[in-house]
Amino acid sequence: NAGVMQNPRHLVRRRGQEARLRCSPMKGHSHVYWYRQLPEEGLKFMVYLQKENIIDESGMPKERFSAEFPKEGPSILRIQQVVRGDSAAYFCASSPKGRTDTQYFGPGTRLTVL
Amino acid sequence: AQTVTQSQPEMSVQEAETVTLSCTYDTSESDYYLFWYKQPPSRQMILVIRQEAYKQQNATENRFSVNFQKAAKSFSLKISDSQLGDAAMYFCAYRSASGLNQASGTYKYIFGTGTRLKVLA
Repeated sequence: NAGVMQNPRHLVRRRGQEARLRCSPMKGHSHVYWYRQLPEEGLKFMVYLQKENIIDESGMPKERFSAEFPKEGPSILRIQQVVRGDSAAYFCASSPKGRTDTQYFGPGTRLTVL
Repeated sequence: AQTVTQSQPEMSVQEAETVTLSCTYDTSESDYYLFWYKQPPSRQMILVIRQEAYKQQNATENRFSVNFQKAAKSFSLKISDSQLGDAAMYFCAYRSASGLNQASGTYKYIFGTGTRLKVLA
């Protein structure tokens, strides 16, 4: 049973470019969460999605950031016009339908903005 | 708003010895979950142990156990017979049992800033 998969593992972008981070939840999981980890800090919640629905985006910056979880395919976290302050590790987690008490994390995507 | 505090940025333990990592939290809720996650250099977040607030019994998983003091809002992790593979960042996390509302249930985790554990051979 494959775990949560994220790709790419490492992503380098220049200021002003777009970054797309992908997350495939565990098989049978319909809840996806995105977190951001700045250097030497804990993970901070960004957004919680179910298929085709954003449930809670209270942790997302109001501009440049968006997330989706389509009916088919992985969840995408999109950052437009990246800035150096976006450099961080972005983690995706998933949990099964009806069982959201424990989240299972992917290996993260490390975004570096030059 | 809930907060999680880990006051020990770094801890060291001799191999085969026991170490305790501290975590305190603040909440006005009565029902919630607490977790310890391990993050090795690979950066993968690995669930170590979880505790339901309504359970008085402390959770244990092999060499890992917690001391859950609900009144004091304290949730420490004890690692017995420490091994070199235990070296990692350890994060304490809180999750409300109620979420944004019962219908949607956000269940977002609130993490502490982490404790770096070094295991000395």
